[in-house]
Amino acid sequence: QSALTQPASVSGSPGQSITISCTGTSSDVGAYNYVSWYKQHPGKAPKLIIYDVVNRASGVSDRFSVSKSGNTASLTISGLQAEDEADYYCNSKRGNTTLYVFGTGTKVTVL
Amino acid sequence: QVQLMESGGGVVQPGKSLTVSCEASGFSFSSYNMHWVRQAPGKGLEWVAIISFDGSNKKYADSVKGRFTISRDNAKNTLYLQMSSLRVDDTAVYYCAKDVARRYYYGSGTDVWGQGTTVTVSS
Repeated sequence: QSALTQPASVSGSPGQSITISCTGTSSDVGAYNYVSWYKQHPGKAPKLIIYDVVNRASGVSDRFSVSKSGNTASLTISGLQAEDEADYYCNSKRGNTTLYVFGTGTKVTVL
Repeated sequence: QVQLMESGGGVVQPGKSLTVSCEASGFSFSSYNMHWVRQAPGKGLEWVAIISFDGSNKKYADSVKGRFTISRDNAKNTLYLQMSSLRVDDTAVYYCAKDVARRYYYGSGTDVWGQGTTVTVSS
């Protein structure tokens, strides 16, 4: 059950925008509008940012936006802030025996 | 306050069994699909299993199918993960998580997570 592909790391300066890609296949990201995104600080539980491709979770800033094209979903963080520094994971529903799959994770660094 | 609290983790030998639990509070537990997700030390997140709100439907990751069983007791507001034939690569922090929405289908997104319980499989 191969994971969705994310860049290992992305960095940006405060105030800049960064984009994290999440590439899957026609059996997961490309097949369903069931992609979610999570933020995780080391040693803590993940926090939901986006669900069902485009919906922001309660309390999440509108600095977080998403898009999906074909087999790739993307999360953009605008107006980068120090508090955005964390690990980010995408997740997609998958049309085979393993129902969901996470991405490999991206470490976001604010320079 | 909406909360999930896992318990039952520990050190277990390869081939043995262990059950972890997740007690829910602050929301209508019986109305939500529930997940188990794990994270091996220094690794990424791995989805493990899901159970429907009424317990009638369950799905598993291939890596645990036939060895793990997800279940729930809605009267006790508790989710369970029974793990058998444990392997060293099952070593991880196990999180329970709540679906973001009340629904009769499996969508995406879990908005409430427990703090996790650590399972270590070692001889």
